[in-house]
Amino acid sequence: IAGITQAPTSQILAAGRRMTLRCTQDMRHNAMYWYRQDLGLGLRLIHYSNTAGTTGKGEVPDGYSVSRANTDDFPLTLASAVPSQTSVYFCASSREVNNEQFFGPGTRLTVL
Amino acid sequence: GQNIDQPTEMTATEGAIVQINCTYQTSGFNGLFWYQQHAGEAPTFLSYNVLDGLEEKGRFSSFLSRSKGYSYLLLKELQMKDSASYLCAVMDSNYQLIWGAGTKLIIKP
Repeated sequence: IAGITQAPTSQILAAGRRMTLRCTQDMRHNAMYWYRQDLGLGLRLIHYSNTAGTTGKGEVPDGYSVSRANTDDFPLTLASAVPSQTSVYFCASSREVNNEQFFGPGTRLTVL
Repeated sequence: GQNIDQPTEMTATEGAIVQINCTYQTSGFNGLFWYQQHAGEAPTFLSYNVLDGLEEKGRFSSFLSRSKGYSYLLLKELQMKDSASYLCAVMDSNYQLIWGAGTKLIIKP
Protein backbone atom coordinates (compact mmCIF):
# COMPACT_ATOMS: atom_id res chain seq x y z
CA ILE A 1 0.00 0.00 0.00
CA ALA A 2 1.29 3.46 -0.84
CA GLY A 3 -0.72 6.36 0.51
CA ILE A 4 -4.42 6.01 1.15
CA THR A 5 -6.76 3.41 -0.30
CA GLN A 6 -10.53 2.98 -0.33
CA ALA A 7 -12.79 0.04 -1.04
CA PRO A 8 -14.97 -0.62 -2.87
CA THR A 9 -14.38 1.61 -5.90
CA SER A 10 -18.09 1.69 -6.60
CA GLN A 11 -21.21 0.07 -5.24
CA ILE A 12 -24.91 -0.09 -6.01
CA LEU A 13 -26.94 -0.68 -2.88
CA ALA A 14 -30.61 -1.28 -2.15
CA ALA A 15 -32.24 1.17 0.24
CA GLY A 16 -32.34 -0.13 3.79
CA ARG A 17 -29.16 -2.20 3.47
CA ARG A 18 -26.14 -1.75 5.71
CA MET A 19 -22.86 -0.83 4.05
CA THR A 20 -19.30 -0.22 5.25
CA LEU A 21 -16.85 1.81 3.19
CA ARG A 22 -13.24 0.99 3.97
CA CYS A 23 -10.32 3.38 4.21
CA THR A 24 -6.69 2.53 5.00
CA GLN A 25 -3.57 4.71 5.05
CA ASP A 26 0.05 3.70 5.52
CA MET A 27 1.50 7.18 6.12
CA ARG A 28 1.11 7.01 9.92
CA HIS A 29 -1.07 10.10 9.77
CA ASN A 30 -2.84 10.98 13.00
CA ALA A 31 -5.94 12.62 11.53
CA MET A 32 -8.47 11.06 9.15
CA TYR A 33 -11.66 12.32 7.54
CA TRP A 34 -14.70 11.22 5.58
CA TYR A 35 -16.27 13.57 3.03
CA ARG A 36 -19.07 13.31 0.55
CA GLN A 37 -18.99 15.18 -2.75
CA ASP A 38 -22.20 16.02 -4.60
CA LEU A 39 -22.55 17.89 -7.88
CA GLY A 40 -22.59 21.65 -7.38
CA LEU A 41 -21.64 21.44 -3.72
CA GLY A 42 -18.34 21.62 -1.96
CA LEU A 43 -16.91 18.65 -0.13
CA ARG A 44 -18.86 18.14 3.08
CA LEU A 45 -17.32 16.61 6.17
CA ILE A 46 -19.20 13.62 7.56
CA HIS A 47 -16.98 12.46 10.43
CA TYR A 48 -13.39 12.94 11.43
CA SER A 49 -10.80 11.49 13.78
CA ASN A 50 -7.96 13.62 15.14
CA THR A 51 -6.11 10.60 16.49
CA ALA A 52 -6.62 6.87 16.96
CA GLY A 53 -9.35 6.14 19.50
CA THR A 54 -11.23 9.42 18.98
CA THR A 55 -13.91 10.49 16.51
CA GLY A 56 -16.04 13.56 15.94
CA LYS A 57 -19.06 14.66 13.94
CA GLY A 58 -18.70 16.88 10.92
CA GLU A 59 -21.24 18.92 9.00
CA VAL A 60 -23.45 16.03 7.79
CA PRO A 61 -23.11 13.08 10.21
CA ASP A 62 -26.70 11.79 10.29
CA GLY A 63 -27.08 8.24 9.00
CA TYR A 64 -23.33 7.54 9.22
CA SER A 65 -21.02 6.15 11.88
CA VAL A 66 -17.26 5.68 12.10
CA SER A 67 -14.68 3.99 14.27
CA ARG A 68 -10.92 4.47 14.68
CA ALA A 69 -9.54 1.39 16.42
CA ASN A 70 -6.00 1.97 15.10
CA THR A 71 -3.96 4.58 13.23
CA ASP A 72 -4.34 3.06 9.77
CA ASP A 73 -8.04 2.27 9.37
CA PHE A 74 -11.11 4.49 9.38
CA PRO A 75 -14.25 2.69 8.16
CA LEU A 76 -17.51 4.52 7.46
CA THR A 77 -20.79 2.66 8.02
CA LEU A 78 -24.23 3.43 6.65
CA ALA A 79 -26.58 1.61 9.01
CA SER A 80 -29.62 1.73 6.73
CA ALA A 81 -28.90 3.34 3.37
CA VAL A 82 -31.28 5.88 1.83
CA PRO A 83 -31.28 7.30 -1.73
CA SER A 84 -30.06 10.71 -0.49
CA GLN A 85 -26.80 9.02 0.47
CA THR A 86 -26.03 8.48 -3.21
CA SER A 87 -22.74 10.33 -3.60
CA VAL A 88 -19.00 10.05 -4.08
CA TYR A 89 -17.28 9.41 -0.77
CA PHE A 90 -13.69 10.46 -0.16
CA CYS A 91 -11.51 9.44 2.73
CA ALA A 92 -8.59 11.72 3.58
CA SER A 93 -5.75 11.87 6.08
CA SER A 94 -3.30 14.43 7.39
CA ARG A 95 -0.22 14.20 9.57
CA GLU A 96 -1.82 16.50 12.12
CA VAL A 97 -5.14 18.41 12.08
CA ASN A 98 -3.55 21.61 10.74
CA ASN A 99 -1.67 20.01 7.83
CA GLU A 100 -2.71 19.45 4.23
CA GLN A 101 -5.01 16.52 3.62
CA PHE A 102 -4.29 13.63 1.27
CA PHE A 103 -7.25 11.98 -0.39
CA GLY A 104 -8.08 8.42 -1.31
CA PRO A 105 -9.43 7.62 -4.80
CA GLY A 106 -13.07 7.71 -3.67
CA THR A 107 -16.04 5.35 -3.58
CA ARG A 108 -18.98 6.02 -5.87
CA LEU A 109 -22.10 4.84 -4.03
CA THR A 110 -25.57 4.58 -5.55
CA VAL A 111 -28.54 3.80 -3.31
CA LEU A 112 -31.67 2.69 -5.11
CA GLY B 1 -22.70 31.02 8.76
CA GLN B 2 -19.59 29.90 6.98
CA ASN B 3 -19.28 30.52 3.27
CA ILE B 4 -16.72 30.06 0.52
CA ASP B 5 -17.41 31.64 -2.87
CA GLN B 6 -15.61 30.95 -6.13
CA PRO B 7 -16.73 31.15 -9.78
CA THR B 8 -18.45 28.05 -11.11
CA GLU B 9 -16.59 27.90 -14.41
CA MET B 10 -13.82 29.72 -16.28
CA THR B 11 -12.36 29.34 -19.76
CA ALA B 12 -8.81 30.20 -20.80
CA THR B 13 -6.46 29.61 -23.71
CA GLU B 14 -3.45 27.32 -23.73
CA GLY B 15 -0.28 29.28 -22.91
CA ALA B 16 -2.18 32.12 -21.23
CA ILE B 17 -2.57 33.13 -17.57
CA VAL B 18 -5.73 32.69 -15.48
CA GLN B 19 -6.67 33.91 -12.02
CA ILE B 20 -9.26 32.03 -9.95
CA ASN B 21 -10.70 34.05 -7.08
CA CYS B 22 -12.02 32.84 -3.75
CA THR B 23 -13.75 34.87 -1.04
CA TYR B 24 -14.58 33.48 2.37
CA GLN B 25 -16.44 34.12 5.60
CA THR B 26 -15.62 31.60 8.30
CA SER B 27 -15.60 31.27 12.06
CA GLY B 28 -11.90 31.63 12.64
CA PHE B 29 -9.04 31.19 10.22
CA ASN B 30 -6.17 28.72 10.33
CA GLY B 31 -5.10 28.87 6.71
CA LEU B 32 -6.40 28.60 3.17
CA PHE B 33 -5.79 25.68 0.85
CA TRP B 34 -6.09 25.19 -2.89
CA TYR B 35 -6.65 21.76 -4.38
CA GLN B 36 -6.85 20.51 -7.96
CA GLN B 37 -9.36 17.85 -8.94
CA HIS B 38 -9.45 16.23 -12.36
CA ALA B 39 -12.78 14.76 -13.42
CA GLY B 40 -13.43 11.42 -11.76
CA GLU B 41 -10.36 11.68 -9.54
CA ALA B 42 -9.50 12.69 -5.99
CA PRO B 43 -8.49 16.23 -5.00
CA THR B 44 -4.73 16.82 -4.80
CA PHE B 45 -3.05 19.53 -2.72
CA LEU B 46 -1.67 22.56 -4.55
CA SER B 47 -0.92 25.31 -2.04
CA TYR B 48 -1.35 26.64 1.47
CA ASN B 49 -1.46 30.26 2.69
CA VAL B 50 -1.71 31.34 6.31
CA LEU B 51 -0.02 34.75 6.12
CA ASP B 52 -0.87 37.60 3.77
CA GLY B 53 1.00 37.67 0.50
CA LEU B 54 1.97 35.57 -2.45
CA GLU B 55 3.26 32.00 -2.41
CA GLU B 56 4.85 30.83 -5.65
CA LYS B 57 5.31 27.22 -6.67
CA GLY B 58 6.39 26.76 -10.26
CA ARG B 59 3.61 27.76 -12.67
CA PHE B 60 1.14 28.11 -9.79
CA SER B 61 0.95 30.98 -7.28
CA SER B 62 -1.54 31.65 -4.50
CA PHE B 63 -2.29 34.96 -2.83
CA LEU B 64 -4.02 35.70 0.47
CA SER B 65 -5.48 38.83 2.07
CA ARG B 66 -6.91 37.96 5.46
CA SER B 67 -8.35 41.43 6.07
CA LYS B 68 -10.38 41.16 2.84
CA GLY B 69 -11.27 37.46 3.21
CA TYR B 70 -9.85 36.93 -0.25
CA SER B 71 -7.51 34.61 -2.08
CA TYR B 72 -6.63 33.85 -5.65
CA LEU B 73 -4.86 31.06 -7.48
CA LEU B 74 -2.79 32.17 -10.47
CA LEU B 75 -1.92 29.67 -13.16
CA LYS B 76 0.69 30.67 -15.74
CA GLU B 77 1.66 29.12 -19.11
CA LEU B 78 -1.54 27.12 -19.15
CA GLN B 79 -1.37 23.58 -20.46
CA MET B 80 -4.21 21.32 -21.57
CA LYS B 81 -3.57 19.11 -18.54
CA ASP B 82 -4.54 22.06 -16.30
CA SER B 83 -8.16 21.49 -17.30
CA ALA B 84 -9.66 20.52 -13.95
CA SER B 85 -11.68 21.86 -11.06
CA TYR B 86 -9.88 24.04 -8.52
CA LEU B 87 -11.15 23.87 -4.96
CA CYS B 88 -10.66 26.59 -2.35
CA ALA B 89 -10.88 25.52 1.29
CA VAL B 90 -10.48 27.44 4.55
CA MET B 91 -9.46 25.84 7.84
CA ASP B 92 -11.73 27.21 10.56
CA SER B 93 -11.19 27.68 14.30
CA ASN B 94 -11.87 23.95 14.88
CA TYR B 95 -9.23 22.98 12.30
CA GLN B 96 -11.92 21.69 9.96
CA LEU B 97 -11.80 22.52 6.25
CA ILE B 98 -14.73 24.46 4.79
CA TRP B 99 -14.83 23.88 1.04
CA GLY B 100 -16.00 25.96 -1.88
CA ALA B 101 -17.95 24.23 -4.63
CA GLY B 102 -14.97 24.48 -6.97
CA THR B 103 -14.15 26.31 -10.20
CA LYS B 104 -14.17 24.23 -13.37
CA LEU B 105 -11.35 25.49 -15.60
CA ILE B 106 -11.64 24.75 -19.30
CA ILE B 107 -8.50 25.20 -21.42
CA LYS B 108 -8.93 25.75 -25.14
CA PRO B 109 -6.14 25.24 -27.68
